[in-house]
Amino acid sequence: GEEVAQTPKHLVRGEGQKAKLYCAPIKGHSYVFWYQQVLKNEFKFLISFQNENVFDETGMPKERFSAKCLPNSPCSLEIQATKLEDSAVYFCASSQSRQAYGYTFGSGTRLTVV
Amino acid sequence: AQSVTQLDSQVPVFEEAPVELRCNYSSSVSVYLFWYVQYPNQGLQLLLKYLSGSTLVKGINGFEAEFNKSQTSFHLRKPSVHISDTAEYFCAVSESSGGSNYKLTFGKGTLLTVNP
Repeated sequence: GEEVAQTPKHLVRGEGQKAKLYCAPIKGHSYVFWYQQVLKNEFKFLISFQNENVFDETGMPKERFSAKCLPNSPCSLEIQATKLEDSAVYFCASSQSRQAYGYTFGSGTRLTVV
Repeated sequence: AQSVTQLDSQVPVFEEAPVELRCNYSSSVSVYLFWYVQYPNQGLQLLLKYLSGSTLVKGINGFEAEFNKSQTSFHLRKPSVHISDTAEYFCAVSESSGGSNYKLTFGKGTLLTVNP
């Protein structure tokens, strides 16, 4: 399809619980990017993939965050032992190249940690 | 590294009035520039982008923006706004040379509120 599908739209987790977010890129797009939008509209780059390989993970918190893109499956972003500060909207974008002009964003997953 | 400053956090206007949302950027290399719109509880939609060529860029929904390299600005304009334009608007920049700063850097957003 021509849209980036993110699921679920909303996710509520108690502090310390695991959260898993999914992103199905547009068919034919080999790059996937994850961004985090926290309060006050600050966007932070988390990680990017080229096919199933990590391309750039410089924004990923090392301890509790992990991500995968496996063949024939949606990409996933997993947060182990969520904290209140993880509450944010997580956006996924896909592209045919790593350049931002090719991005198509998904509608995001709103994670609320209580 | 690059940075983006959106000079106004909120811009209230009346319906059918013109509007300008200001964006300045900082970068030591050439850049691509973008404006995104986020309607309440929705995702990011690309309004327009500047890659090269003409400095006046036209986008969707009647919006346009002008790239000014000397002033490092990329202000967004619309001659006559509608109630439905009420949303958060984000200016963003990425490096055009394909180096390590290929990622998007966003401003903090401008909330445009259109009043009847």
